[in-house]
Amino acid sequence: AQSVSQHNHHVILSEAASLELGCNYSYGGTVNLFWYVQYPGQHLQLLLKYFSGDPLVKGIKGFEAEFIKSKFSFNLRKPSVQWSDTAEYFCAVNANSNYQLIWGAGTKLIIKP
Amino acid sequence: EAQVTQNPRYLITVTGKKLTVTCSQNMNHEYMSWYRQDPGLGLRQIYYSMNVEVTDKGDVPEGYKVSRKEKRNFPLILESPSPNQTSLYFCASSLIFGTGDNYGYTFGSGTRLTVV
Repeated sequence: AQSVSQHNHHVILSEAASLELGCNYSYGGTVNLFWYVQYPGQHLQLLLKYFSGDPLVKGIKGFEAEFIKSKFSFNLRKPSVQWSDTAEYFCAVNANSNYQLIWGAGTKLIIKP
Repeated sequence: EAQVTQNPRYLITVTGKKLTVTCSQNMNHEYMSWYRQDPGLGLRQIYYSMNVEVTDKGDVPEGYKVSRKEKRNFPLILESPSPNQTSLYFCASSLIFGTGDNYGYTFGSGTRLTVV
């Protein structure tokens, strides 16, 4: 069965630190990959997605993610975080022929001012 | 504005009293889904629907019902709520066969349900 693993449940960083959140999936075929963000008290919003083409995907608010097919990974990065990036981040995957998204357990990111 | 509308945002109820959480989308999406979100457990899918009159169980369907009589609406029904259904619920919708720019889940604002 397909699964998505997010390595860290909680991450605490200081402002201006660099961020990398890990996401690995288990599926051998073609995949579409997503990162969603949930700010405190809000619903999930799409941060970025990968369908095809350039494996380095740029999203909103300075976030980017790199799809490394050989490592089954889609890690989220940001060079310099801000206090307003405090949120929970979810990685999700679906296979081309399946509209269902498989979700990671989420990573809570806390940015200290 | 393209959106998924959930109501109510907050609900406190008593054990056994039937309730319905409504979900409506204005994007003509075929696919709709209900999730519950609990601390440490991430998002768990309750039910989903591929189109009108087509629904299927997700990972945690026990204690819930859904219906899809119209494309835009996908209500979640708790016939006899219990305290273990206290959770944050999200409705989501998407195209089934979208690609690239037009594909992705749109989420409602959530319903925080407390069953006492």
